[in-house]
Amino acid sequence: GENVEQHPSTLSVQEGDSAVIKCTYSDSASNYFPWYKQELGKRPQLIIDIRSNVGEKKDQRIAVTLNKTAKHFSLHITETQPEDSAVYFCAASKRAAGNKLTFGGGTRVLVKP
Amino acid sequence: GAGVSQSPSNKVTEKGKDVELRCDPISGHTALYWYRQSLGQGLEFLIYFQGNSAPDKSGLPSDRFSAERTGGSVSTLTIQRTQQEDSAVYLCASSSTEPLTYEQYFGPGTRLTVT
Repeated sequence: GENVEQHPSTLSVQEGDSAVIKCTYSDSASNYFPWYKQELGKRPQLIIDIRSNVGEKKDQRIAVTLNKTAKHFSLHITETQPEDSAVYFCAASKRAAGNKLTFGGGTRVLVKP
Repeated sequence: GAGVSQSPSNKVTEKGKDVELRCDPISGHTALYWYRQSLGQGLEFLIYFQGNSAPDKSGLPSDRFSAERTGGSVSTLTIQRTQQEDSAVYLCASSSTEPLTYEQYFGPGTRLTVT
């Protein structure tokens, strides 16, 4: 089955700096890669996603890149703000398997003011 | 519109008891997923329902876990003879397949504590 590895497990950045989180996946048939943000005690919220026919996607301060050949994808947050502090999860899925998500282990991001 | 809802929000039970967790998906969403999030851990897939098809139970950790989805809407996850290692947050998610979208919307979760 699919295996998703996520690094780093914790990330501390100064407000205004950029944050980068990297994930690798094992199943070359995976075709959908979402990123979820989870604040303490809250439900995961989708912040951005990318499909396998696209190499990069951007939404304001957040961008995701996908390298299908290397089977890795990354989340980039620019101009970080204290409200970006949360746990971020990457995930992978494929339509053939009902789009069930396999998640990475999560990255705890702390933005220091 | 209303999002995914789950009940109860918290459940404390004694080891060996059975528990039922409920999920109400977004109206019209035909795909429904259950995940488990253990303390400080990532999210682990449990089971997936799609319309009237047989569910994908490949993520259920043991035969003490079962789930059903009645009328293509509400789903119940049942854990029999609970063990302490079952303590976790159980999250439900739903997504649309008509039209097909990939985004899964999560409910607030049920925090299960087995004492």
